[in-house]
Amino acid sequence: DGGITQSPKYLFRKEGQNVTLSCEQNLNHDAMYWYRQDPGQGLRLIYYSQIVNDFQKGDIAEGYSVSREKKESFPLTVTSAQKNPTAFYLCASSTGGGTAGETQYFGPGTRLLVL
Amino acid sequence: SQKIEQNSEALNIQEGKTATLTCNYTNYSPAYLQWYRQDPGRGPVFLLLIRENEKEKRKERLKVTFDTTLKQSLFHITASQPADSATYLCALPTSGTYKYIFGTGTRLKVLA
Repeated sequence: DGGITQSPKYLFRKEGQNVTLSCEQNLNHDAMYWYRQDPGQGLRLIYYSQIVNDFQKGDIAEGYSVSREKKESFPLTVTSAQKNPTAFYLCASSTGGGTAGETQYFGPGTRLLVL
Repeated sequence: SQKIEQNSEALNIQEGKTATLTCNYTNYSPAYLQWYRQDPGRGPVFLLLIRENEKEKRKERLKVTFDTTLKQSLFHITASQPADSATYLCALPTSGTYKYIFGTGTRLKVLA
């Protein structure tokens, strides 16, 4: 099956702890994205990557970090600097054509809760 | 800055009627616009893409219009069914980048 997988489905973070959310895709897409969704709010972009070994900050990057060492993987680390991490995190990918008209394919999401 | 607005109030309609959802944008002239469906606790799923030179796009019971003068897109579901109940999001690519901005979504409930 082709698609995007995210793990875990639920993640609990203790105060001061860093946690990493996994995102893997087998769609051979160049571009990958991380979004945060809070109740009643739209998707807000955390980080995005257009190509391996390159990534850019989105609108709410503070307290988060990413890496893109492989085309198929784009893990997100929520650091202790993120003071309000409770949210639904969505990973997405696209072929990365910019103005060509790109569909984003989303994973099932990870819900992060603070203990 | 670029903004998208969707009606944040839930839309309740009777089964069989046509649902119409609105997406307005400002400070921007996108090359295309997308609509996604999101069910509770799940990731959005792509539905339709309409380009700036297209006035209308159809897919089965779905129809999207794109008015670049009004800076507005309308999303219609005809002969609506309870299974159409979900949140519908519109999204625009930002110019010159691979970034997208999403609206807050409109929750649709189709009553049997």
